[in-house]
Amino acid sequence: EVQLVESGGGLVQPGGSLRLSCATSGFTFRNYWMHWVRQAPGKGLVWVSRINGDESSTNHADSVKGRFTISRDNAKNTVYLQMDSLRAEDTAMYYCARARQYCTTISCYYDAFDIWGRGTMVTVSS
Amino acid sequence: QSVLTQPPSASGTPGQRVTISCSGSSSNIGSNPVNWYRQVPGTAPKLLMYNNNQRPSGVPDQFSGSKSGTSASLAISGLQSDDEADYYCAAWDDILSGPVFGGGTKLTVL
Repeated sequence: EVQLVESGGGLVQPGGSLRLSCATSGFTFRNYWMHWVRQAPGKGLVWVSRINGDESSTNHADSVKGRFTISRDNAKNTVYLQMDSLRAEDTAMYYCARARQYCTTISCYYDAFDIWGRGTMVTVSS
Repeated sequence: QSVLTQPPSASGTPGQRVTISCSGSSSNIGSNPVNWYRQVPGTAPKLLMYNNNQRPSGVPDQFSGSKSGTSASLAISGLQSDDEADYYCAAWDDILSGPVFGGGTKLTVL
């Protein structure tokens, strides 16, 4: 069974750090782009970060650039999100998601999130 | 403020067909395919449609998607009570270099 399980969330003070983990199983991990998506309480989905299969390419949303770092360990089938200099507005449920590849006549895309974890809650508050 | 614009709510009666719209710009929907997600509150989102109108395995054909220019829509036919959920559109944005989402549409079955 394909599965993603996030961990590492919790309560942290503004300016603090957290490291989220997403343990995966049931598929060839190194073949997939992996993403983090967050959702503030009562709000919509917001993309955070992505990383390709061999860790040679990463992207972050402008709102977290310079503060968050995505990484992965293909030997452990796990993707991470290091979050530093946390702010109150970072409070959200953080989901790990696998990206399905699909191609059009023009290009190939890696932004259809076909498998999601259950999420881990991050609360930034003093 | 979401990059893609969706109506905050939609509704229909059992058996009815409803559509949910999603409006963007030339840097996202105008240039790239649209994906749709369904989320029951308190649970993780689920991929409903990708590449504008492709259904992942297991998604019934009551769901269909389309795109024209900088707008897209999701249609749900034969509405059922368990279709009640939040629906999100998403697309890659060439300027932001990342996927962008709509604000979500809460579907209510009357």
